[in-house]
Formats: sequence, C-alpha cells, structure tokens
Amino acid sequence: EAQVTQNPRYLITVTGKKLTVTCSQNMNHEYMSWYRQDPGLGLRQIYYSMNVEVTDKGDVPEGYKVSRKEKRNFPLILESPSPNQTSLYFCASSFSGRRGDTQYFGPGTRLTVL
Amino acid sequence: QQPVQSPQAVILREGEDAVINCSSSKALYSVHWYRQKHGEAPVFLMILLKGGEQKGHDKISASFNEKKQQSSLYLTASQLSYSGTYFCGTDPHTGFQKLVFGTGTRLLVSP
Repeated sequence: EAQVTQNPRYLITVTGKKLTVTCSQNMNHEYMSWYRQDPGLGLRQIYYSMNVEVTDKGDVPEGYKVSRKEKRNFPLILESPSPNQTSLYFCASSFSGRRGDTQYFGPGTRLTVL
Repeated sequence: QQPVQSPQAVILREGEDAVINCSSSKALYSVHWYRQKHGEAPVFLMILLKGGEQKGHDKISASFNEKKQQSSLYLTASQLSYSGTYFCGTDPHTGFQKLVFGTGTRLLVSP
C-alpha cells in the first residue's frame, strides 16, 4: 500500500532532550516536506527536500534540522526542544515537487515538550 | 503569506449546501484543497491548475479564478461524512511546489 509513515505517533518529552521524528514513504517520491499544525494557524512548512541531499528551509525552520540521505526517508530532528515546539507534525511527499503535484500526508506525530 | 479562508466555521444540516472561499494576495499557479478529520492527516480532494478551471467529484466541486487570485469549494447536498476542516493550499509562481496553507474552515454537518 502506498503510504507515508511517521514514528512515533505520540511523544512527550522534556525541554532540551534531543529527539528525532522519522518519516518514510514507499512511493519513490522525490519531494518530501515537514509541516507543523497549530490551532488557528493551519499547516506551516518547516523544511522541504527536492531530492536526496537537497533540503531547504520552509516558513518556520527555527529549532529544527532535517536530513535526506535516502530517497525514502526524511527525519525531523529537534536538537534542543522547547515548549513552543509542542505541536502536531505532518510529513508529506509528492512525486517530483513540481507545481501541480499532489502532496500525500503521513498520519501525524503529536509532540508535547514539557 | 497565508491565503485567507472564509468562513472560519460553518454548521449545516444534512442535505444543505456550503461554499468555502480561499483568497490570496499573491498570483497563483495552482490551488489544492484538502479535508482533515479531527486527529487525522489531511486528505487530498483536488487540484485546480488553470484560471477558470472547475473540477469536482461526487457532490464536491471547486473553481479557480486566477485573475482574482481566489478559489471556492462547493459542497452540495452535504452528508455527515463531509464534516471536518477544509484547507486550501496555494502555490505561487515560484518555479517549484511550495504550498502555503490557509488556516482552515471547520465544517460540521448535523443530522
């Protein structure tokens, strides 16, 4: 089944403890992206990747890192999480990242930073 | 800059119609519509690529007025399953896809 998977689905952590949220897609998509969703603010892009080893900042990149060493995986790294990073995170992918491509979303990761 | 969606919320009775609008201050290449159920991932509904294009499946359709930089989503004869939050994602002319999502319209369909 074609899908985008994320792990973990739920995470509670404490301020400053490094964490990684994994994202994997099995559709051979070139483009992958991370969003955060907060009440009243909608989905905001954190980082995106056009292909392996090609990443760039989205609209809200502060406090996050990403890497794209393999085409299927696009982990999101929080080196020193803070409470303002408590949010619902979605990974998404699309075939090429060209205009008009459909983005497919993962199931989401709910992160709470205490 | 985020597109503006209106209304922010709407309550319908089953069988009623609704229109959700999405406006951008920037020129647009495409508009993407998604529906999200509470606690779930956004699910793709449709893309509109050309100004004036209209699309639809079942009783959900959409239009895209490129000149006015806006799109509208039409839900006719609403069903309980239509409940959720609808997001538009706009794609300005930047050369590659970089969707910027609106803040969403919450739709509740009651029996």
